[in-house]
Amino acid sequence: EVQLVESGGGLVQPGGSLRLSCAASGLTFRNYYFHWVRQAPGKGLVWVSRVNGDGSSTAYADSVKGRFTISRDNAKNTLYVQMNSLRVEDTALYFCATSTGAHDAFDIWGQGTVVTVSS
Amino acid sequence: DIVMTQSPDSLAVSLGERATINCKSSQTLLYSSNNKNYLAWYQQKPGQPPKLLIYWASTRESGVPGRFSGSGSGTDFTLTISSLQAEDVAVYYCQQYYTTPRTFGQGTKLEIK
Repeated sequence: EVQLVESGGGLVQPGGSLRLSCAASGLTFRNYYFHWVRQAPGKGLVWVSRVNGDGSSTAYADSVKGRFTISRDNAKNTLYVQMNSLRVEDTALYFCATSTGAHDAFDIWGQGTVVTVSS
Repeated sequence: DIVMTQSPDSLAVSLGERATINCKSSQTLLYSSNNKNYLAWYQQKPGQPPKLLIYWASTRESGVPGRFSGSGSGTDFTLTISSLQAEDVAVYYCQQYYTTPRTFGQGTKLEIK
């Protein structure tokens, strides 16, 4: 069974930093692109970032560009996002997700980890 | 960026009745080289991550009940639940995966009337 487990969320002050992790199991991790998607309390889904299989290509939403850095360690089957210069509006539940099918929709999601940015 | 707009924002349907949710994209999601629409539908229940229902605009994900169907092409898409069940109460999102950023619609909250 494919499983994604996020960790690293917590309470941080504005301007602070946090690193989220997403541990994957049940799949050949290096073969897949991975994404971060966030959901502010009571709001909809927002795509944040993605990384390709070997980590050489990344993409970001404009709202996080220059502040967030996505990366992966294929030896540890783990996806990361380093979040710097955090803002109150970054408060959200952060999901990692991937597509394991012949399509490119997100068929596997983690349960998410909560990030709260507040003074 | 491709903007995805869903309608309505919320919907109340009686058990056993049909529910229809619309999704419109600001650019075509039809890739001419393979004639596929890069559009997915997700269901999200409270306290859970989203669940993929439909991809390629009309292909049901494995295990998804047959009462869920997707249709449309280009810029206009529809998710239909043919006979609403109590367990279908959720928020439904469309998403384009034609290009990055992978934008979602704002969501449609489906309730029982």
